[in-house]
Amino acid sequence: KNQVEQSPQSLIILEGKNCTLQCNYTVSPFSNLRWYKQDTGRGPVSLTIMTFSENTKSNGRYTATLDADTKQSSLHITASQLSDSASYICVVGATSGTYKYIFGTGTRLKVLA
Amino acid sequence: DAGVIQSPRHEVTEMGQEVTLRCKPISGHNSLFWYRQTMMRGLELLIYFNNNVPIDDSGMPEDRFSAKMPNASFSTLKIQPSEPRDSAVYFCASSWEETQYFGPGTRLLVL
Repeated sequence: KNQVEQSPQSLIILEGKNCTLQCNYTVSPFSNLRWYKQDTGRGPVSLTIMTFSENTKSNGRYTATLDADTKQSSLHITASQLSDSASYICVVGATSGTYKYIFGTGTRLKVLA
Repeated sequence: DAGVIQSPRHEVTEMGQEVTLRCKPISGHNSLFWYRQTMMRGLELLIYFNNNVPIDDSGMPEDRFSAKMPNASFSTLKIQPSEPRDSAVYFCASSWEETQYFGPGTRLLVL
């Protein structure tokens, strides 16, 4: 069964600290993995997209890693800011005839001053 | 560019009524996606179009849901009849290549 699991479910950190969010998936055949940031009351915004051959991709203070062998991805946030408070959603794309998206339930991050 | 435009932003209706959600994708984008988001189920893909043609509607929950894309600049998601369990935020997204751009969403409440 295609599944995407994210951990932790929620996280609270102090401003300026680093954090890492995890995404484990059992999706086949794997096509790509995306990380989205969703602010409260708004639509998701794409942070990174990685294909099978990529194992790291950065977008400013956000760095995503992908281990296709262990089917794990992480999103590392460096020097967190208050504006990083949001939900972070991992989405895995699968191709099996038609294109499928399997969504994680997200990690809710709160950055405190 | 104004981004993906959705209307209405909020909709409150009574069970049994027809609901139509509208989406204007970013000009030049060739793919359009409809999503539903709830606290219980998270984000779910309902249907997506490529070049105005529905490619995969396996996420559409029931026959009460239908989506159309009559041209490259407009799409609708219709629920008829609506039920309280349809209450959710409905997002439209468009893309040209890999990156999807989401609209602000329509918050639907069915009483």
